[in-house]
Amino acid sequence: DAKTTQPPSMDCAEGRAANLPCNHSTISGNEYVYWYRQIHSQGPQYIIHGLKNNETNEMASLIITEDRKSSTLILPHATLRDTAVYYCIVRSRAGGTSYGKLTFGQGTILTVHP
Amino acid sequence: DAGVIQSPRHEVTEMGQEVTLRCKPISGHNSLFWYRQTMMRGLELLIYFNNNVPIDDSGMPEDRFSAKMPNASFSTLKIQPSEPRDSAVYFCASSRGQGMHNEQFFGPGTRLTVL
Repeated sequence: DAKTTQPPSMDCAEGRAANLPCNHSTISGNEYVYWYRQIHSQGPQYIIHGLKNNETNEMASLIITEDRKSSTLILPHATLRDTAVYYCIVRSRAGGTSYGKLTFGQGTILTVHP
Repeated sequence: DAGVIQSPRHEVTEMGQEVTLRCKPISGHNSLFWYRQTMMRGLELLIYFNNNVPIDDSGMPEDRFSAKMPNASFSTLKIQPSEPRDSAVYFCASSRGQGMHNEQFFGPGTRLTVL
């Protein structure tokens, strides 16, 4: 699996946009970028995923650079409830199957403060 | 929808005892995953089932761990005998399929403490 690099922690003021970067310079053409988050004492929660186009849903936007070597997750109006660990994952097929394995790294601890 | 259901939520046991963790996936989902999370190793995939059949168990630590999925609505993860280093939060997740577009939905986890 392609490795991802994320800053260990970030801060954001409530109501402002939170921009979480992720580097995945070894990503290959058929690998997807996934974002999950884990709020304290809960299971991980799916946020968004993309291949090469920018994506938006009700939770966030995902901006993937043209060379696909990095991406940014944007929470447009962060709230205190968005405080969590955010995982950027490059999802790849497990050898010869259609199975897309998720490999979690250490993630970014995002703290949203009042 | 109730989401993925795990039981128990907390388990405290003594070294050497058998531990059984249970999971009910979301109805209609045919892929099920067991993960373990510790401070040292983060979140690791232990085993994955598709249509009740184990597909990838390369993450299972050793023979003390076993997992079964007797039907589409129930799975167990068993540790026998348990050891203190098995203390962790165990998550079960399910998805509608195993492909790249299928998001995994996680349960609330079982916090296991082995004394």
